[in-house]
Amino acid sequence: GDSVTQMEGPVTLSEEACLTINCTYTATGYPSLFWYVQYPGEGLQLLLKATKADDKGSNKGFEATYRKETTSFHLEKGSVQVSDSAVYFCALSDTRGGYQKVTFGTGTKLQVIP
Amino acid sequence: DAGVIQSPRHEVTEMGQEVTLRCKPISGHDYLFWYRQTMMRGLELLIYFNNNVPIDDSGMPEDRFSAKMPNASFSTLKIQPSEPRDSAVYFCASSLAGGIPYGYTFGSGTRLTVV
Repeated sequence: GDSVTQMEGPVTLSEEACLTINCTYTATGYPSLFWYVQYPGEGLQLLLKATKADDKGSNKGFEATYRKETTSFHLEKGSVQVSDSAVYFCALSDTRGGYQKVTFGTGTKLQVIP
Repeated sequence: DAGVIQSPRHEVTEMGQEVTLRCKPISGHDYLFWYRQTMMRGLELLIYFNNNVPIDDSGMPEDRFSAKMPNASFSTLKIQPSEPRDSAVYFCASSLAGGIPYGYTFGSGTRLTVV
């Protein structure tokens, strides 16, 4: 079945450092890929998405490129802020069978220190 | 749109009591999902509905759990009787399908504590 593997956390960075959170996936079809963010005490929020190979999703300074050849969708940000501290979930969406099934990774906690 | 609305935000109950969690999805969304999140098991899909009809409840842990969606704007997740191991954050999410990947919109969750 479909699966998502993301790097284990927690990841601790100083403010203005570069961020990369690795995500790889396994899928038999042609999934869409997502990053969700969960701030403390809140639900998951869609951060960015990419629907086909070589697409780049971006939002709030975060970027991720859909790499079919390496089955990856790594999340990057050039300069993190304390307010980026949250848990980040990689996910894939497979629309086989006429419904949208989303498979989530286990989440990576990011802590940004001043 | 107010987003996906869940109530209550927090629930503390005694073991053996019935618990009902509520969810109002985004108007027009035709899929509704119930998830449970714990530190040990992460995010687990319990059940999802399409056009108010339950499609897959294979994630419901036991017969103590049941979910209903009587109309397009309301769903409930019930636990009867509740047990301490049911303590978790329960999320409701809704989405549009039709083959176009919009992603999910999550509610803020209900933190359930069973003592």
